[in-house]
Amino acid sequence: DAGVIQSPRHEVTEMGQEVTLRCKPISGHNSLFWYRQTMMRGLELLIYFNNNVPIDDSGMPEDRFSAKMPNASFSTLKIQPSEPRDSAVYFCASSLATVANEKLFFGSGTQLSVL
Amino acid sequence: AQSVAQPEDQVNVAEGNPLTVKCTYSVSGNPYLFWYVQYPNRGLQFLLKYITGDNLVKGSYGFEAEFNKSQTSFHLKKPSALVSDSALYFCAANAGANNLFFGTGTRLTVIP
Repeated sequence: DAGVIQSPRHEVTEMGQEVTLRCKPISGHNSLFWYRQTMMRGLELLIYFNNNVPIDDSGMPEDRFSAKMPNASFSTLKIQPSEPRDSAVYFCASSLATVANEKLFFGSGTQLSVL
Repeated sequence: AQSVAQPEDQVNVAEGNPLTVKCTYSVSGNPYLFWYVQYPNRGLQFLLKYITGDNLVKGSYGFEAEFNKSQTSFHLKKPSALVSDSALYFCAANAGANNLFFGTGTRLTVIP
């Protein structure tokens, strides 16, 4: 298996533009997580899905952020409009089951820079 | 509130010496505890986990961690450090929900 695949690896955009980050989880995994990593705040959970259904989006910072999982093999995280403070590395992760003791498999992340 | 603390931002150790990366947790109920490692420009990789049973857990690359309930700690250890162990290490915990709380990370540098 190729692991969790994220695209793009790097995104540079201007303030106010829409940004869409993409994630393909490992086949057979039914939990998907979006994390944001910054120097100041470390790793923050933004949202997670079980069986394509959003379970907890309390970590989504504002209405400018939205996430979807239309099927088991694809998820998007959208920021509209983007702001410089959104600059961070965004990670997608998936796991085998809905139980909490399963390890997460992380993608390589998307480095987002908003100018 | 549930949280994980890694009190050291940076740990330096000489190659061949034992290393310890500290972690304490605050989780209601029985904790599930994890260690992950992050190499530059990569996502986090699972190292080991404690769910129940033996307090000493062995993981990948020769790492191990000891669960101490009375001290609410889960320190990561390795008997002999390698230069290739240099990376960012994250402790994480949850209490049965699907939300993992991560610590702020500890940067380990192994000096040749």
